[in-house]
Amino acid sequence: DAGITQSPRHKVTETGTPVTLRCHQTENHRYMYWYRQDPGHGLRLIHYSYGVKDTDKGEVSDGYSVSRSKTEDFLLTLESATSSQTSVYFCAINPGTSYEQYFGPGTRLTVT
Amino acid sequence: GQQVMQIPQYQHVQEGEDFTTYCNSSTTLSNIQWYKQRPGGHPVFLIQLVKSGEVKKQKRLTFQFGEAKKNSSLHITATQTTDEGTSFCAGAGGRDDKIIFGKGTRLHILP
Repeated sequence: DAGITQSPRHKVTETGTPVTLRCHQTENHRYMYWYRQDPGHGLRLIHYSYGVKDTDKGEVSDGYSVSRSKTEDFLLTLESATSSQTSVYFCAINPGTSYEQYFGPGTRLTVT
Repeated sequence: GQQVMQIPQYQHVQEGEDFTTYCNSSTTLSNIQWYKQRPGGHPVFLIQLVKSGEVKKQKRLTFQFGEAKKNSSLHITATQTTDEGTSFCAGAGGRDDKIIFGKGTRLHILP
């Protein structure tokens, strides 16, 4: 498996609180992605990054923001968590030379 | 916008039977990838297909990319319990060549 970790692995939070999820890679890959996975919806792209401080929105970006100040770290922030953001969040990386993505272990987030 | 559809959404098969999942895109793809996710795990990259009509094999798994580069299939010969999980296809295409994941096919193996 690619050197990619996510933290925390599990989190329970209350509606309205801010939450930050961290993705860390040791591969020095250029591209990083945040997905959410929900039953019946598969993997949906939230945001992605193509370099330090270079980010763009995916198909379900509302309510989420991201930051990438270092190559190895990509942060996903829920400014004010809602119950609809209860999901499993996966980070993925890609070297940029081909299309395959390597996924982290995921973070299970529950918003009560 | 670009859509990637996978069928079936769910299937159960007797151990030892063959299984096929199909992936169809609304637009021509530049390439397609297949991923496998075990229950409770994360998606794992299996293979990438790029050429029209391409066929690749990995042990009991056979992957095909259609001639028109709008569809693909994953065929598993003689399923085993270790094949349980969800298979995802992901296609890159459209003006911006973004990757879109299908919703996956969940396979359950009956002993």
